Amino acid sequence: ELKVEQNPLFLSMQEGKNYTIYCNYSTTSDRLYWYRQDPGKSLESLFVLLSNGAVKQEGRLMASLDTKARLSTLHITAAVHDLSATYFCAVEETSGSRLTFGEGTQLTVNP
Amino acid sequence: NAGVTQTPKFRVLKTGQSMTLLCAQDMNHEYMYWYRQDPGMGLRLIHYSVGEGTTAKGEVPDGYNVSRLKKQNFLLGLESAAPSQTSVYFCASSYSGGGPKLFGPGTRLTVL
Repeated sequence: ELKVEQNPLFLSMQEGKNYTIYCNYSTTSDRLYWYRQDPGKSLESLFVLLSNGAVKQEGRLMASLDTKARLSTLHITAAVHDLSATYFCAVEETSGSRLTFGEGTQLTVNP
Repeated sequence: NAGVTQTPKFRVLKTGQSMTLLCAQDMNHEYMYWYRQDPGMGLRLIHYSVGEGTTAKGEVPDGYNVSRLKKQNFLLGLESAAPSQTSVYFCASSYSGGGPKLFGPGTRLTVL
């Protein structure tokens, strides 16, 4: 059974600081997704990582994938308040089309 | 394009009642999914469909049934609602098996 673990689950940081969210998964996979969810809202796709060593960047967020270590990271650079949200990673099992989600990281960026 | 839409947005049921949640997408996506989201547990896959007329069980299928009679619609049914089914339900769709790309706005269901 595929297990996906994120850490930290809660993150409070100051504006202007950098931080990294980690996503570990338990079985072989080469497709990993990052989503953002604002309170009471739906999920917004941020990044799709499809191969070992993939790196994607959008604004202050950068995601990477290491399939050998079964690890993805979401790095936040110079955080701003607008980045406050819950971030989910999700892993696709190579054998099918099912996504397994991590518990989510609730990020709060304080002025 | 409307994207992925869900009906209804909110619903309150009594234990034992039945209901159907409707998901519709206008992007000609082959794959559609139903997830539930509970506090502290992320999203869990209930059922999914890889094409019209096909469905498959996800991680937590018990107590739910689904149908995909038309490519654009994916229905989630609760035959006899239980308080444990109180949750937020999200539908999603994608072109291929590369995971859900677009999520609907969600349905908040409360079972008393």
